[in-house]
Formats: sequence, C-alpha cells, structure tokens
Amino acid sequence: AQKVTQAQTEISVVEKEDVTLDCVYETRDTTYYLFWYKQPPSGELVFLIRRNSFDEQNEISGRYSWNFQKSTSSFNFTITASQVVDSAVYFCALSAVLNYGGSQGNLIFGKGTKLSVKP
Amino acid sequence: DAGITQSPRYKITETGRQVTLMCHQTWSHSYMFWYRQDLGHGLRLIYYSAAADITDKGEVPDGYVVSRSKTENFPLTLESATRSQTSVYFCASSENRGTGLFYEQYFGPGTRLTVT
Repeated sequence: AQKVTQAQTEISVVEKEDVTLDCVYETRDTTYYLFWYKQPPSGELVFLIRRNSFDEQNEISGRYSWNFQKSTSSFNFTITASQVVDSAVYFCALSAVLNYGGSQGNLIFGKGTKLSVKP
Repeated sequence: DAGITQSPRYKITETGRQVTLMCHQTWSHSYMFWYRQDLGHGLRLIYYSAAADITDKGEVPDGYVVSRSKTENFPLTLESATRSQTSVYFCASSENRGTGLFYEQYFGPGTRLTVT
C-alpha cells in the first residue's frame, strides 16, 4: 500500500532559523512522483515542487531546498532563514496510479506539518 | 479569470438535503479531482475524472455523485447530506501529457461545507 508519513505534526521556530520538514513514503511502484504543497492560513493549496523517482538531485529554489533520498524513502523539505510568511501547513504527497489508463495519478497526502514562524 | 474556481465558497445545509458544489477550470486540463480535507485525515480523494464523460471513484466516494459533461466543469453532488460530510472540499485539475507522467495538481480555493 502507498503511504506518506509526516511525523512532525507541528513545528515552531523563530524567524531566521532553518527548519526541516520530514517526509517518508512507502510505495511498491518503481516509477513514482513526489510533491510538496503549502497551505497558508488562507486555506488554498499551493504547489511547491514535483520530483520523479529517477532524479535524486537535490533541488534549491531560493530559501527552499529539497533532499530526496531513495535509499531511505525520504523527501525532506528545508526552509533556510525562515520568515513569518512561511507559516503554513505543509503537505508531502506521493503519486498513485489511478484505475483508468494509468497515465495520471491520484495524490496520496501525508497529514501535514504545521509550521509556525514567530517574529 | 484563468485558473480553477469553486462555488460556493461557503455553504450551510441541513441533513438530508441535496447540495452541489461547482468546479470550473480554464486550462483545459484533462484530469479533474475532488478531495475532502478533514482534521486528522489530511486530504482524501472522493472522485476523479480523466476526461469528459469519464469518471471513477476514489478513496471515499460513498454519498457523492459526480458528472463531467464538459471538460471545464466537474460538479460534485451530495445526494442526501449527512453531518459526516461536513468538511472542506477541494477541486483540482492536472494535465495529461502521457502515460506514467504524473503532473502536479492545481487546486481550487476550496468550499467549506457545514451540514447541520
């Protein structure tokens, strides 16, 4: 069965601290995709990154970086020099092949990590 | 406006009533999805659609009905609302560029539904 575990339910940091959000996944698929989404207090879900299982290179986008390690089935997300605007719930998700056609996936979401960044 | 929209944004209804949540996207994405978000459960898939007139069940389909007569619209109907269907409902859409290529899903702003 496919599963995403975000063990950290809530994290609180002070502005400018670095913070890492953990994501561990389970899948039997040889090809799969991993995603991170941000849900700020306003409630919308914002796509952050998509990574396929064959690309283990780390990705950096500004203050955000992602570390994908297939050996440990982890796809961790680090925010460097956190800011108050980073306060949100962050979801890690794993693709799953749908019944029809197999050409697109459902997302299996973790339960999210609520990040609070205090000034 | 371009993007994916949902209406209404907030809805209060009574047990046993039928209610329809609307979802509209302007990207001509093939795939559309309905999720519900509940505390302690994260987001769970209710139904999805691979194209117009093609729909299928997700993880929690009971009590819901969907249709997709046009690519851009994907309404979700609660046939007889129950209190357990109180939730935040998100619609999402995604491209389909080929087999095995899973593209990101873009979400609407959500509909907060309360069943009293």
